[in-house]
Amino acid sequence: ETGVTQTPRHLVMGMTNKKSLKCEQHLGHNAMYWYKQSAKKPLELMFVYSLEERVENNSVPSRFSPECPNSSHLFLHLHTLQPEDSALYLCASSPTGGQYGYTFGSGTRLTVV
Amino acid sequence: LAKTTQPISMDSYEGQEVNITCSHNNIATNDYITWYQQFPSQGPRFIIQGYKTKVTNEVASLFIPADRKSSTLSLPRVSLSDTAVYYCLVGVAVGNTPLVFGKGTRLSVIA
Repeated sequence: ETGVTQTPRHLVMGMTNKKSLKCEQHLGHNAMYWYKQSAKKPLELMFVYSLEERVENNSVPSRFSPECPNSSHLFLHLHTLQPEDSALYLCASSPTGGQYGYTFGSGTRLTVV
Repeated sequence: LAKTTQPISMDSYEGQEVNITCSHNNIATNDYITWYQQFPSQGPRFIIQGYKTKVTNEVASLFIPADRKSSTLSLPRVSLSDTAVYYCLVGVAVGNTPLVFGKGTRLSVIA
């Protein structure tokens, strides 16, 4: 365990389903992130939350909706996804919004059928 | 963000020392150099971070020349379990600039 816990580890969903990914950290970090890693591609930054406020959204389609109810929890709500959205979704946290001390979770392997 | 360039892949035999070099010609004064390791289907894991000269921890060493335009991650006596993708990142430690990953270097350790 890294200190960042993601659930579920694996998820298969249909294109009309609605599901949510959950991330939890108890490291006392103030920033949390969602990354997407498709096969043979670099990690793509999707969303950044610093002190529970969204500070960056890298033009992610609206079928992905993040939620950060407090500094320890981060959700990614999914609806009407496409097969090309199948990927490993990684959550990370860091003490501040900079580049120091990132801790990643083990990810959720999402398959859209 | 300072752009980094590192080899796409490297092969090594077990027990050898592996050096992965990263170029970052436009590194800024306040930028740090950080390396992460990623195994398949897992999140990246922090290995080492430095600003200048040499940094060593229980996992690796990081060599940074005086001009800071490149850095070298050194893994002593690699084993099969060191097979992974290694990412070099450059940026400020504190602020509102999140980590943005490149393609990394895929290290394959052979028995």
